[in-house]
Amino acid sequence: KAGVTQTPRYLIKTRGQQVTLSCSPISGHRSVSWYQQTPGQGLQFLFEYFSETQRNKGNFPGRFSGRQFSNSRSEMNVSTLELGDSALYLCASSSQGNQPQHFGDGTRLSIL
Amino acid sequence: EDQVTQSPEALRLQEGESSSLNCSYTVSGLRGLFWYRQDPGKGPEFLFTLYSAGEEKEKERLKATLTKKESFLHITAPKPEDSATYLCAVHTYSGNTGKLIFGQGTTLQVKP
Repeated sequence: KAGVTQTPRYLIKTRGQQVTLSCSPISGHRSVSWYQQTPGQGLQFLFEYFSETQRNKGNFPGRFSGRQFSNSRSEMNVSTLELGDSALYLCASSSQGNQPQHFGDGTRLSIL
Repeated sequence: EDQVTQSPEALRLQEGESSSLNCSYTVSGLRGLFWYRQDPGKGPEFLFTLYSAGEEKEKERLKATLTKKESFLHITAPKPEDSATYLCAVHTYSGNTGKLIFGQGTTLQVKP
């Protein structure tokens, strides 16, 4: 059974640009959550989507947004990039919100 | 405010030297506690879910236990391949379906 797939693995952008990250969940999983991981803050919840609807959102500015498609694949967008957005962005999927979440290997985003 | 604290931050063991990692939590209502292992450059790998105080789960050299205020990850006779960062996360009843709150992690190094 294929795991969670995130693309691209690495991304370099400059301040002010925008970026879109992609996540393909485990087949059959309808819940997709996004997290930001940094050395200082650890893993922080961004948002969760279930059946194409955003079910929950963390404490991040509106520059961070996402969506989910009918096949459960999800995308995350960050606009007007700032240096502090440099991080590992992780996607996780589960069959339901309270079941174990399985993570992809993340997208490493570097802002110059 | 819901909070998860892991200790110690870092742990060095000799191969075969057993020890325990701690995860203490202060949450409004616990729906589940999860343990993950994360290797450098990879996403977190799911290890265990614990749902109620007194519950225990085992996998190879790892055993996770849960009380009303904390969880322990016991590592028996560790091997160098057990070296990784171990993350604890909680899922709460505070209306945040699918949101996991993570601790900062314990980085374990096992020397041969």
